[in-house]
Amino acid sequence: DAEITQSPRHKITETGRQVTLACHQTWNHNNMFWYRQDLGHGLRLIHYSYGVQDTNKGEVSDGYSVSRSNTEDLPLTLESAASSQTSVYFCASSEPGLAENEQFFGPGTRLTVL
Amino acid sequence: AQSVTQLDSQVPVFEEAPVELRCNYSSSVSVYLFWYVQYPNQGLQLLLKYLSGSTLVKGINGFEAEFNKSQTSFHLRKPSVHISDTAEYFCAVSDPSQKLVFGQGTRLTINP
Repeated sequence: DAEITQSPRHKITETGRQVTLACHQTWNHNNMFWYRQDLGHGLRLIHYSYGVQDTNKGEVSDGYSVSRSNTEDLPLTLESAASSQTSVYFCASSEPGLAENEQFFGPGTRLTVL
Repeated sequence: AQSVTQLDSQVPVFEEAPVELRCNYSSSVSVYLFWYVQYPNQGLQLLLKYLSGSTLVKGINGFEAEFNKSQTSFHLRKPSVHISDTAEYFCAVSDPSQKLVFGQGTRLTINP
């Protein structure tokens, strides 16, 4: 069955370190998204991609970067982790072309920055 | 720009009672509306979506939602809840660029 996976599921790091969160999907979707979930804010879009070599900034992109070298993966990098980036991170993918298409979500990565 | 407001951050109900989770949206263009559910320590899964046509949309697990264009609302309902419905529920709107804008979430707690 097609799926979307994230790794690691839990990560503890220190302020100032670079951290990369992995997202891998086997749906063969061109669209991929990264969100962070914080209490009282729901999910907020960090970065998104509509295909290989395409990346775009979302609502809360400061301090984060992504790269898309193939269809299956969209890793999220925190260049210099800050305590404000402690959050749960979700990756999602969808079929392009139709705005009504469902986004499929991964299980999430809980990141703690000390 | 689109925005979504979920009017209740927490909703406690007794088992087998009806429930309504409220969602209002704002948008200057035609939208598609979604309800997602997040069970503890899991990702989000789609409950239902409104694209066009009938304003009453039925989803999984006995949930339904009604699209009301004049009130810009998309409230989620279930006539009789079960303990297993305990979860966080998110309303979302998609824009023509296929991005989703989420509400703040409503935590539904079912008491026996």
